[in-house]
Amino acid sequence: DAGVTQSPTHLIKTRGQQVTLRCSPISGHKSVSWYQQVLGQGPQFIFQYYEKEERGRGNFPDRFSARQFPNYSSELNVNALLLGDSALYLCASSRSALDTQYFGPGTRLTVL
Amino acid sequence: QQQVKQSPQSLIVQKGGIPIINCAYENTAFDYFPWYQQFPGKGPALLIAIRPDVSEKKEGRFTISFNKSAKQFSLHIMDSQPGDSATYFCAASNSNSGYALNFGKGTSLLVTP
Repeated sequence: DAGVTQSPTHLIKTRGQQVTLRCSPISGHKSVSWYQQVLGQGPQFIFQYYEKEERGRGNFPDRFSARQFPNYSSELNVNALLLGDSALYLCASSRSALDTQYFGPGTRLTVL
Repeated sequence: QQQVKQSPQSLIVQKGGIPIINCAYENTAFDYFPWYQQFPGKGPALLIAIRPDVSEKKEGRFTISFNKSAKQFSLHIMDSQPGDSATYFCAASNSNSGYALNFGKGTSLLVTP
């Protein structure tokens, strides 16, 4: 079975721009979570979605938003990019909101 | 505010040694404690996880020890191999919050031949 897939792999943006990152969960998984991993740190929780509804939100500004589609794929949007948004953005999927989370390879975002 | 504190930051052991990575938490509502392994350029991969109703869990060469009263848990890697060289993260979550994972800062492990 295919694992969690994320696109694009790498992305370079400039300050003030907007970015959309995409995630496809493992087949049969209905929950998607997003994490931000700054270089040298552990992942930080951003959002969790289950059955297209937001189930949790981490301590991130309103510039960060997400949604989940009927096929359970998800998008993470970040507006008004700052230099500090440069990080690896990880998507994790799970069967339900309470099950083990499996991570994708991430999208490396660089903000110049 | 770091909810899970992990140590050491880095660790070097010889092949066959037993590296030990420690984590501590404060939130007594946490009820799920996984360990993840991450190689450069890859996402974290689940190694092993434990719930607070058991004090130890073994899966292959990986063992978690859990001390509920001390609010600490640790990962032991038996007979470590150079291929185990990676960054290891402990995490904790609360089922009431949908299992959003709170990660430690990570331990960079190097196993020398």
